Amino acid sequence: DGGITQSPKYLFRKEGQNVTLSCEQNLNHDAMYWYRQDPGQGLRLIYYSQIVNDFQKGDIAEGYSVSREKKESFPLTVTSAQKNPTAFYLCASSQTGEQPQHFGDGTRLSIL
Amino acid sequence: GENVEQHPSTLSVQEGDSAVIKCTYSDSASNYFPWYKQELGKRPQLIIDIRSNVGEKKDQRIAVTLNKTAKHFSLHITETQPEDSAVYFCAASMSGSARQLTFGSGTQLTVLP
Repeated sequence: DGGITQSPKYLFRKEGQNVTLSCEQNLNHDAMYWYRQDPGQGLRLIYYSQIVNDFQKGDIAEGYSVSREKKESFPLTVTSAQKNPTAFYLCASSQTGEQPQHFGDGTRLSIL
Repeated sequence: GENVEQHPSTLSVQEGDSAVIKCTYSDSASNYFPWYKQELGKRPQLIIDIRSNVGEKKDQRIAVTLNKTAKHFSLHITETQPEDSAVYFCAASMSGSARQLTFGSGTQLTVLP
């Protein structure tokens, strides 16, 4: 969906470094989500936010942090506490928590 | 929490044949079941979804069936074409204030010309 923009497309992290993945949407959606996808596996929920200034942990939140200061933005920080960060990260949004989720193009994170 | 199992993990069919992918879920409270198609290195795209008040839904060559009693749902693709080749994911969630999707592990569908 052209309305959900993730950047960068590729990202490399050094040991002990925090990195932030950007997710912006211009769809006026209330709900936003972050998923992690590992090879040969389904998507796993990291964090989600239903409204500005509120967010909830998903199934695999350890080692990650988020913020939702603006409706259109939901950045994800992969901290040094996440020992296995190499994965494909997907951001999604939906009009409300009850509506279908639509995804951005993803960010592929690798360790240097 | 919810657990979704998806089978088969790989599926090859001849062009023009039908393909069926099956998923089971564990939480009887789940009531929303979307299917996503993901081409290599790209975003998952919603192709069809079904809610638990409906037993079947069709959209051209794609259909989804739901059996609430048995807690399983299936994706049916008829008259397959090479462009249907992709990874397909099922998911399940409960209604509520946020739709937390639990995904299956995916099915790699290959349509042979």
